[in-house]
Parts: sequence; structure tokens; C-alpha cells
Amino acid sequence: NAGVTQTPKFQVLKTGQSMTLQCAQDMNHNSMYWYRQDPGMGLRLIYYSASEGTTDKGEVPNGYNVSRLNKREFSLRLESAAPSQTSVYFCASSEAPGHFATNEKLFFGSGTQLSVL
Amino acid sequence: QKEVEQDPGPLSVPEGAIVSLNCTYSNSAFQYFMWYRQYSRKGPELLMYTYSSGNKEDGRFTAQVDKSSKYISLFIRDSQPSDSATYLCAGRNAGNMLTFGGGTRLMVKP
Repeated sequence: NAGVTQTPKFQVLKTGQSMTLQCAQDMNHNSMYWYRQDPGMGLRLIYYSASEGTTDKGEVPNGYNVSRLNKREFSLRLESAAPSQTSVYFCASSEAPGHFATNEKLFFGSGTQLSVL
Repeated sequence: QKEVEQDPGPLSVPEGAIVSLNCTYSNSAFQYFMWYRQYSRKGPELLMYTYSSGNKEDGRFTAQVDKSSKYISLFIRDSQPSDSATYLCAGRNAGNMLTFGGGTRLMVKP
């Protein structure tokens, strides 16, 4: 019963390098999300996908791109990593069929700890 | 000013104590409030969900919302070492994204 799976778990990048964080869910959820978590800042939404084929910006989208590859998979790409992107990244999913259903329950992966030197 | 504020802690209590975790928020449009629990090196998991003002109880946990003072509380009775985690509160209004607080780290000592 995997739930939400994120890869990799840890990554160290040099400034300017690119990488893609992968996320897959096996719960047949419609909506998927990428958050970043920084000390004292809480979870901040980077991008979300309310349904397959759609993506929208969240609170902190600059420097990131996303792809909803299919219903299961939602990837986050850093084209040119910066030290300010050092963070823990969480992917999440929810059943919500559309745009932030009122009682949606988010299911989170275990996170990717990213350091940009 | 952040929309949802929490004391980061850590809050350290002995096993069996009653724990009170609190949040304040500034967005009057928030109608839905949630508490997520996050163990070290894990993703958050939903603990409690409440709508508007009032109390909601689930086992040892009680969530309380006071919209007049924009104050959210989570009470844990008979706290256990397994309750040691970071607790994140969150608020949102209908059709909008969740806004999380920074989290309070709780340590329950045997």
C-alpha cells in the first residue's frame, strides 16, 4: 500500500544545475500538489494539478515547472537551481475532483530533501 | 505577516499531560480548519478537520475553533511519547488553497 511515492529522497545540486523530482500516487486521485517546507515557514504550495491535463501556479511558483504526465504521476523540475531552493519538497494528492473541494484530505509523500550549494 | 501563525516550540511535556497547541490566523474568510501531524522525516498526515467555529472530538484529540478571536486549538489528552511530532494547523476558505502555519514541535517524555 504505497500511497504517494517520491524520488529521490535526498539530492545535492550545484547552483545552475537542473533536476526533476518525481512523484507517483496509486490511489487513483484526481488532484496532485507540490509543496516546499522551510523552517518556520510551513508548507507553501508551488504548483498543483486539479486533474489530469491541467496545472496551475500556487503561492511560490518562480523557478519551477511541472508536468502532469498522467493521472498517477506529477513531476517538478528545477531548470537552474539556486541556493534559495534548498528545502524539503513534498508531493501530495487528494481525491478532490476539481478545484480545492472543501473537505479534501491531502495524502503526502515522505519528501525530498534538496540542498543547492 | 503570515496568515497562519504558530509558536514553533519545542513544547516538552511529561507523558500523561494534557497538551494545548494553538494557532492564530488573520484571514477572516477562512471557514475550514485542519490539523496535520508530521513525524520526523515523514510527510504530514491529516489529524483533525473542522468547519467554522466550535469543537470536534476524536478519541484523545479535540480541535477547537474560535472565529471571533481567530484562534485555533488542538488539545491532546493523556499524551503519549508516540504523540511526539510537529503539529501543523491550516485554514482555508471555500474553493481556495490551504494555508499552513509553520508548525509546533511537541515532545512527550516518558
